[in-house]
Amino acid sequence: NAGVTQTPKFQVLKTGQSMTLQCAQDMNHEYMSWYRQDPGMGLRLIHYSVGAGITDQGEVPNGYNVSRSTTEDFPLRLLSAAPSQTSVYFCASSYGTVYNEQFFGPGTRLTVL
Amino acid sequence: RKEVEQDPGPFNVPEGATVAFNCTYSNSASQSFFWYRQDCRKEPKLLMSVYSSGNEDGRFTAQLNRASQYISLLIRDSKLSDSATYLCVVNYRYGGSQGNLIFGKGTKLSVKP
Repeated sequence: NAGVTQTPKFQVLKTGQSMTLQCAQDMNHEYMSWYRQDPGMGLRLIHYSVGAGITDQGEVPNGYNVSRSTTEDFPLRLLSAAPSQTSVYFCASSYGTVYNEQFFGPGTRLTVL
Repeated sequence: RKEVEQDPGPFNVPEGATVAFNCTYSNSASQSFFWYRQDCRKEPKLLMSVYSSGNEDGRFTAQLNRASQYISLLIRDSKLSDSATYLCVVNYRYGGSQGNLIFGKGTKLSVKP
C-alpha cells in the first residue's frame, strides 16, 4: 500500500493564480480531510469528506474548494491564491470515522508570492 | 474556536530521563483523545489513543482527567529517537455530526546524549 500520497511536494504560486493539490489514498478509507499547518499554529481543518459525493467545510474553508468523486481521491483547489495561503498542507484519511487513526500524507509546501 | 492548549517547550532532557507533557481542552463534550507525534518537516503520525482508564504502550503512558479536562503523556527512559513534537488531539462534536479533530500546537521534545 502506498498509503496517502500528495502531489506536488513543493509549489510556488503568484498571487491570483489557481491550482489543485492532489491527494489520493489506497486504503479504501471513507473519511478524508485537508489541514493546513502554519508556524505557531496547530493543524487547522479546511474541508473534509465522509464519503464519495459528500464534503463539508472545516474551520478555515475560505479560498478553497474540494470535491470527492471517488473514494480514493480528494483534491483541494485554491481558487485565487493569496500570500495568506502560504502554508504546509496535509491530507489525511481514516477508516470509517474521524475517531479512528488519521493517516497523513507527506504534505505540500506552498508559497504564494 | 474550541481550544486545545499545550506548553510549546522545548523540553530538553538527557537520554534515560522521564518527561511528562500536559494538554488542556475546552470542550467538556469531547469524547476522543489522542497523542500524535510529528518529526521535523514530516507528517503527524498517531502515537497512541487516550482512554478513560489510562493506557500504556511500552515506555509511553497516557492519562485522561475528564473533571479537570486535561490529558497527559509520560515518556520513560527517553531515547534520542523520541525527539519530536508531540501533538495533543481532541475531537469536537457539534450538533448531530461526528465532529472533527482539534489539534494542539504541539510540545517540542529534544533528547540529548
